[in-house]
Amino acid sequence: EIVMTQSPATLSVSPGERATLSCRASQSVSSNLAWFQHKPGQAPRLLIYGASTRATDLPARFSGSGSGTEFTLTISSLQSEDFAVYYCQQYNNWPPLTFGGGTKVEIK
Amino acid sequence: QVQLVQSGAEVKKPGASVKVSCKASGYTFTSYTMHWVRQAPGQSLEWMGWINAGNGDTKYSQKFQGRVTITRDTSATTAYMELSSLRSEDTAVYYCARMYCTSIRCYNLDYWGQGTLVTVSS
Repeated sequence: EIVMTQSPATLSVSPGERATLSCRASQSVSSNLAWFQHKPGQAPRLLIYGASTRATDLPARFSGSGSGTEFTLTISSLQSEDFAVYYCQQYNNWPPLTFGGGTKVEIK
Repeated sequence: QVQLVQSGAEVKKPGASVKVSCKASGYTFTSYTMHWVRQAPGQSLEWMGWINAGNGDTKYSQKFQGRVTITRDTSATTAYMELSSLRSEDTAVYYCARMYCTSIRCYNLDYWGQGTLVTVSS
């Protein structure tokens, strides 16, 4: 099973600042990596797939990069609606599909 | 627009079973696979299994093998997840999520249901 590790667990950022979230896979997942945003009481929302492709209608302030075992999600200028938990997930080698432990982006 | 609408919250006693439904609309149900993912309180997301809505093939996480059954009703465009022998550790929000697969490969999860809270308590 591929283990996904996210860091940091919590990221305190002021509105308008840049947020950089990391995700590491225990073995290569090529570019088969997705990022999801999750708010309490809501369905997870797909942000990025293929490591760097933005989902439909996703604002350009979100960007994904990386391949192999190291990935990054960057939010260039945090808006109030961006405060949430973010998960990375690999779909290269499964079952099982595996998720990272999440990064909570909170208001500083 | 694509929608996955899940059934309502459930409270169950230890040892019982629960069946959660996921009604799909806005796309061709049998052209996609449906996955089930759960999130226990304070935990991350955990994949449970999936079903090919076209041919009914299923595969389950080893962790849940023998306790989980995923089915679908194509006429109702609905997928179901049944978990048996419930214990307190199964208290979680259960989600369905769609994935597109071809005969060669599968892609990412995209649309998710709103989640169903299952509480296991005596």
